Formats: sequence, C-alpha cells, structure tokens
Amino acid sequence: GESVGLHLPTLSVQEGDNSIINCAYSNSASDYFIWYKQESGKGPQFIIDIRSNMDKRQGQRVTVLLNKTVKHLSLQIAATQPGDSAVYFCAENIPTGFQKLVFGTGTRLLVSP
Amino acid sequence: DAGITQSPRHKVTETGTPVTLRCHQTENHRYMYWYRQDPGHGLRLIHYSYGVKDTDKGEVSDGYSVSRSKTEDFLLTLESATSSQTSVYFCAIRAGTSGYEQYFGPGTRLTVT
Repeated sequence: GESVGLHLPTLSVQEGDNSIINCAYSNSASDYFIWYKQESGKGPQFIIDIRSNMDKRQGQRVTVLLNKTVKHLSLQIAATQPGDSAVYFCAENIPTGFQKLVFGTGTRLLVSP
Repeated sequence: DAGITQSPRHKVTETGTPVTLRCHQTENHRYMYWYRQDPGHGLRLIHYSYGVKDTDKGEVSDGYSVSRSKTEDFLLTLESATSSQTSVYFCAIRAGTSGYEQYFGPGTRLTVT
C-alpha cells in the first residue's frame, strides 16, 4: 500500500469540505466504471460503480459523474472526514471477450481535521 | 472483505527461488484474478480464472503461472523469482449485481532480494 502512493497527485482538503476526485479514462467503448478506495497497507475497497448509460449515480456521501463526451469520471465526497484519507482510483471495463478492468493510478486524498 | 484471504501477507525471498502465493475465498465465486501493484502503474492483471482448472493470461503474465484445483483456492507461482517481481500482489473475485464488480483481498507484499 505505502509504495503505491509515492508519485501520486494529491488533493488536500479540510474536514467537512466537499472533495472532487477526477479520472480520465482511456477507451470510448468502456461500458462500466468503478471507484475504489485504498488505505495504506490494505486492498482496494469498492466504493461505487456506474454504467455507461448513466450520467450520475449517488451513494452514501458519494456521487459519481460520468461524461462520456470527454471520457471523464469524477467522484464527489460530501462532508469529507479524516477517515476518507486514502488513495482513490477509477477502473473502466473494456468489453473484450472477457471482463477486463483497466485501473488508473489514483489520487491521494488528505483530509485535515 | 468478500471473504478473501491471502497468504503469506509478507514474504522476502532470494532471486531464483520459486514462490507460491495463495488466494482463498469462502463464497464460491467463479471468477478469480491475480494483479500486481507497483508505483506509477495501476493494478495490472497477471492471470485470471473462470472456473476450476480454467485459467488464462493477463497483460503481465511472463514469469508467472497459476493453478486452480478447487473453487476456493487460486495459487500464483513465480517459477524463479526476479527482482522485477518485487511488488504487492492482490487477488480479486468477481461478484455483485452488475456482473463486473471486483473485490480485492488484503494483498501480499513480496520482496525479491
């Protein structure tokens, strides 16, 4: 976990702020997207997903927005908490003969009390 | 945690030695995956399995082999470890309502000296 974050872009926010994490995906044919959260020393944790036929999906304190025109995905976290500090990365499903998720390198979110 | 365990969690080995990593799941999932995670890269697929004794290569399969003799166990073997295989290895299973969601184990940190 720790070594993954060495050269990642970092977003620093204050507790209570809203956070927006962005992801540019690679393939215009991708039909499904996932956001993961990875804390230091742990495995990636599924947060929320969205299909390509949707523009927006909301979960608990999180919203994912999909802009297929510019191949852009964003994760919005409302009322960010110190426990949200982690690396966040997106994954896209490229519809080949088998399911193939392609993962981004991620953004580190640092939340200050 | 999707009932996934990985063993060992940490291992240090010497160049040229064989190494086997184990992934164990308790929920009878059909699809299982092995990824490696390195700084500057997203998760990269090594091998995957779509059933007992059914496996196939991913994008970075050179130097790795896998076996799946039981639904619950997916083994990754480094036939002759090299320093370039120093990495964090994650196992994942496919589950969920979308048919595309992948859930990850806690990872194995492997160091090849």
